[in-house]
Amino acid sequence: GEDVEQSLFLSVREGDSSVINCTYTDSSSTYLYWYKQEPGAGLQLLTYIFSNMDMKQDQRLTVLLNKKDKHLSLRIADTQTGDSAIYFCAERGNTGNQFYFGTGTSLTVIP
Amino acid sequence: NAGVMQNPRHLVRRRGQEARLRCSPMKGHSHVYWYRQLPEEGLKFMVYLQKENIIDESGMPKERFSAEFPKEGPSILRIQQVVRGDSAAYFCASSRAGSNQPQHFGDGTRLSIL
Repeated sequence: GEDVEQSLFLSVREGDSSVINCTYTDSSSTYLYWYKQEPGAGLQLLTYIFSNMDMKQDQRLTVLLNKKDKHLSLRIADTQTGDSAIYFCAERGNTGNQFYFGTGTSLTVIP
Repeated sequence: NAGVMQNPRHLVRRRGQEARLRCSPMKGHSHVYWYRQLPEEGLKFMVYLQKENIIDESGMPKERFSAEFPKEGPSILRIQQVVRGDSAAYFCASSRAGSNQPQHFGDGTRLSIL
């Protein structure tokens, strides 16, 4: 199956920007997604990007897609303590039926 | 505007018992997906269903696991004769029809096997 990789941990100071990176293998992916998971909760859809786009901005969130390198990133501006969570990137498989998730990046925001 | 509802939130079973996990999709969503999350791992796809049909069960273990999405009522993930290795968080997601539709997740059922 498809392989989605993320670094496991990231720490930033409150007010700084966070950048969470993801690489994937399926070049036929049409959509790529970012989800946030807080402790004991489900996954909350943050944003998604169509593969023919390079960038998408939504308030404090900026998604960058380098399709050539199969690299996706999520930038959180002015990171707050409430942003501490696990962030998953996901790609939709070529059958369209399932999402392939990375192992998640645990973001810790230091006050 | 209720989201995806899963129950129970926590389920404890002894080895050999049966576990039934329920999922009600968001209003207007006809597609349901089940995922399993082991501790400190990402989500792994199990099965994709539409009303009364299993579309893709490529991620389901061959034995003891089954899923249904009847015409009326919630989707059910059933695990028979549970073993310790079944302990995990099980998440349900739903979406509208269409290949560009995002999946929306419930809060999961945390299954613990004694």
